[in-house]
Amino acid sequence: SQTIHQWPATLVQPVGSPLSLECTVEGTSNPNLYWYRQAAGRGLQLLFYSVGIGQISSEVPQNLSASRPQDRQFILSSKKLLLSDSGFYLCAWSELTNTEAFFGQGTRLTVV
Amino acid sequence: QKEVEQNSGPLSVPEGAIASLNCTYSDRGSQSFFWYRQYSGKSPELIMSIYSNGDKEDGRFTAQLNKASQYVSLLIRDSQPSDSATYLCAVNIIPRGGADGLTFGKGTHLIIQP
Repeated sequence: SQTIHQWPATLVQPVGSPLSLECTVEGTSNPNLYWYRQAAGRGLQLLFYSVGIGQISSEVPQNLSASRPQDRQFILSSKKLLLSDSGFYLCAWSELTNTEAFFGQGTRLTVV
Repeated sequence: QKEVEQNSGPLSVPEGAIASLNCTYSDRGSQSFFWYRQYSGKSPELIMSIYSNGDKEDGRFTAQLNKASQYVSLLIRDSQPSDSATYLCAVNIIPRGGADGLTFGKGTHLIIQP
């Protein structure tokens, strides 16, 4: 069966520090991968999606970036965090376009 | 612009009753519809997916889709206190040339009263 791993679960980072969140999927090949953010009191916002290695599409321009160095690995990064980057970051995968997505456990990021 | 609208609630339902959650969407090109449950502090968990007009039943859950009215709903029968959570409606459209992530509503907070 397929599983998705996301870490760390919680993270407290100072303003201006870098960020790296990692997500890996097991049990499937060439999944579609997604990064979402859920800010307090707000809905899930799609940040990035990827259909293959090195293929990244951005939905929201900001100081975040994403990379997919391997088929089942998806990384979210920032060079300098802002207070507004605080939120619940969720990695998700889907097997096919236009089908259900499955979420990792999420990373709660607090920028102080 | 893709939009998914839900009543934020809270929706309070007595234990054993039917909980009815509603969602409307703006994009007539939408093809796939999903309901997720999210407990406080946890990630969303898929409950139901529906792709065609009509009803789809899975245990105590029934999803209903009406594409002409751009409306999708979730019914929870015999509501239990463990059903208390935020329910997220999500919609996808046929992408143009690549994958496109789900568009989520802000969710309805459901409270089942014992």
